[in-house]
Amino acid sequence: DTAVSQTPKYLVTQMGNDKSIKCEQNLGHDTMYWYKQDSKKFLKIMFSYNNKELIINETVPNRFSPKSPDKAHLNLHINSLELGDSAVYFCASSQPSAREGGYTFGSGTRLTVV
Amino acid sequence: GNSVTQMEGPVTLSEEAFLTINCTYTATGYPSLFWYVQYPGEGLQLLLKATKADDKGSNKGFEATYRKETTSFHLEKGSVQVSDSAVYFCALLNSGNTPLVFGKGTRLSVIA
Repeated sequence: DTAVSQTPKYLVTQMGNDKSIKCEQNLGHDTMYWYKQDSKKFLKIMFSYNNKELIINETVPNRFSPKSPDKAHLNLHINSLELGDSAVYFCASSQPSAREGGYTFGSGTRLTVV
Repeated sequence: GNSVTQMEGPVTLSEEAFLTINCTYTATGYPSLFWYVQYPGEGLQLLLKATKADDKGSNKGFEATYRKETTSFHLEKGSVQVSDSAVYFCALLNSGNTPLVFGKGTRLSVIA
C-alpha cells in the first residue's frame, strides 16, 4: 500500500503543451510538497501546502500551478511546457512533527519535454 | 539562511571498504538532520536521522552523529556492499515553515 503515490511515473510531451502530475498520500499527513530534481540530482522545493493552504511558493514560473482539493492530494499543473522543465518531480508529505520523522517521498515523475 | 554542503562525488569503493560521506550545515537554531538515499530509478528514502546535538542516527549499518561544534553530520559505514550503490543526500529541517533543505547529493558506486 503505497504511502505517497504519484502519477504518471513517466511523462513525455512536446513544448507548449499543458500537463498535470497527480499526487496522493494515505498517511494522514497535513502538509504536502513538490520538489524538482534537475539533471545533476539537485533537489529544490517548489511548493508546500498545509491542509489545503499554500504556505511555501518558491521562485517558480507562474506556468506552474499547484492545486490541493483536499489534504490528501496535491496536484501540479504546468502550462506551456518548455525544454527546461524537463526534470524529475517529487511529491512528499509530512506531519507537524516533521523534525522528528522527516518527509515521506513519492517515487517521482520523470518529465521529458521534447 | 539554511544550507547543506556535502562532498562532491562520485565516490567509487570496493566491496567491504569503509565509507565516509562528509556533510556540514549552516542554520540558525537547532535543526534536525537527515540522510536520504536514492537508489537508481527510485524515489528518496529516509536512511537515518538525528534531532539534537550528539544524537547518533543509524540504519542498515550506516551511522551519522550530529556534531553541533563542527556543524557536521557525516555518514559512515564500516563495510559497503554493491547494493549500497546509490545517491546519498544530507538534509536539514529547521523550525517554522522552512522546508527540508538538501545538499547536492553524493553518488556512491560500490564494485565487487
